[in-house]
Amino acid sequence: EVQLVESGGGLVQPGRSLKLSCAASGFTFSNYYMAWVRQAPKKGLEWVATISTSGSRTYYPDSVKGRFTISRDNAKSSLYLQMNSLKSEDTATYYCARQTGSGGWFAYWGQGTLVTVSS
Amino acid sequence: DTVLTQSPALAVSPGERVSISCRASEGVNSYMHWYQQKPGQQPKLLIYKASNLASGVPARFSGSGSGTDFTLTIDPVEADDTATYFCQQSWNDPRTFGGGTKLELK
Repeated sequence: EVQLVESGGGLVQPGRSLKLSCAASGFTFSNYYMAWVRQAPKKGLEWVATISTSGSRTYYPDSVKGRFTISRDNAKSSLYLQMNSLKSEDTATYYCARQTGSGGWFAYWGQGTLVTVSS
Repeated sequence: DTVLTQSPALAVSPGERVSISCRASEGVNSYMHWYQQKPGQQPKLLIYKASNLASGVPARFSGSGSGTDFTLTIDPVEADDTATYFCQQSWNDPRTFGGGTKLELK
């Protein structure tokens, strides 16, 4: 059974940093692109980052490019999201997702971890 | 960015057929996908590449469309289908989601 378990969320002040983690199990982690998708409270979904199987390629929307960094450790079956210079509009539940291919859809999602950016 | 437009809400009775639409501001080929999200839960993939049923999803769900106009159909609707349904495109960068359609049962 595919399982994705996020951790690392919490309350952080604007301008500070936070690192999220996602522990994967139930599949061969190194074979899949992985992604982060976020959802602001009572709002829709927004894709945040994608990383290739080896970690050599990363992709971001303009809203987080230069502030967020996605990475992975295939030996530990773990995905990470380093978030710097956080803003109030980054407040959201962050989901780890298994992506199908480089241009694909999100086949499996974790339960999410809440990040609140507030002073 | 590719904007995906969905109707905000629909209300149907159990046993009926419902169609949820998603219109893209530019063509996305067949790279439109559908997700179901129940309150307090993570999204769940229902349909990928416009018309392919994801693993474990009941055959009551189906998808159609290409280019800019896509439809998710549930037939027949069951009480457990109360949820918000999101479309998502992965043809153009950045990948984007629709605002969601909240399905309520009468």
